[in-house]
Amino acid sequence: QVQLQESGPGLVKPSQTLSLTCTVSGGSISSGNFYWSWLRQPAGKALEWIGRINTSGRTTYNPSLKSRVTISVDRSKNQFSLKLTSVTAADTAVYYCARFSLQLVAGWFDPWGQGTLVTVSS
Amino acid sequence: SYELTQPPSVSVSPGQTATITCSGEALPKQYANWYQQKPGQAPALVIYKDTERPSGIPERFSGSSSGTTVTLTISGVQAEDEADYYCQSADSSGPYQVFGGGTKLTVL
Repeated sequence: QVQLQESGPGLVKPSQTLSLTCTVSGGSISSGNFYWSWLRQPAGKALEWIGRINTSGRTTYNPSLKSRVTISVDRSKNQFSLKLTSVTAADTAVYYCARFSLQLVAGWFDPWGQGTLVTVSS
Repeated sequence: SYELTQPPSVSVSPGQTATITCSGEALPKQYANWYQQKPGQAPALVIYKDTERPSGIPERFSGSSSGTTVTLTISGVQAEDEADYYCQSADSSGPYQVFGGGTKLTVL
């Protein structure tokens, strides 16, 4: 079955850019009508959706993060990536990638990667 | 911005029924989904499209919807069901995904 794995630096300095990659295994990122998503969860807090991309490159971002977020896809590597600019301590969180299934007025995240902790600190 | 509201905590004894609610203005127009998250683990989908159960999820997990509220019901709660549960849906325009604040289920 499809599995996702996040990778990237665990420590980012304030004002710099957070960059993460999600590698999809067990299936092609281009197959099916799926979106590929990033989410995050600060310690002890709720989940927050960051944004998504389909394999045509169409993106949708959380309005609260839109000015700082870029999600891209590399079909040749079966990967998609997240860039978050001008980070602050408030961006410290566990970052998850997940596959998003969209059907008209329904959309759900499954499966999820295991998550990766990113700490913003000097 | 759109919000989904969940109770912070629910407690039940083993074998009893746990109900977790999620309220949101757009829920009559948008399906909702439920995720279980155990400490140190990624969330896992337990209910999608209000009432559908993914393969591998025990039958004791069920979902329902009425107006602006969706409900996750766990019948015959087991100790292993102790976890945080999150509802998720979209705003009325569709593209933006939102999560509830999460409910900590404690099995007494």
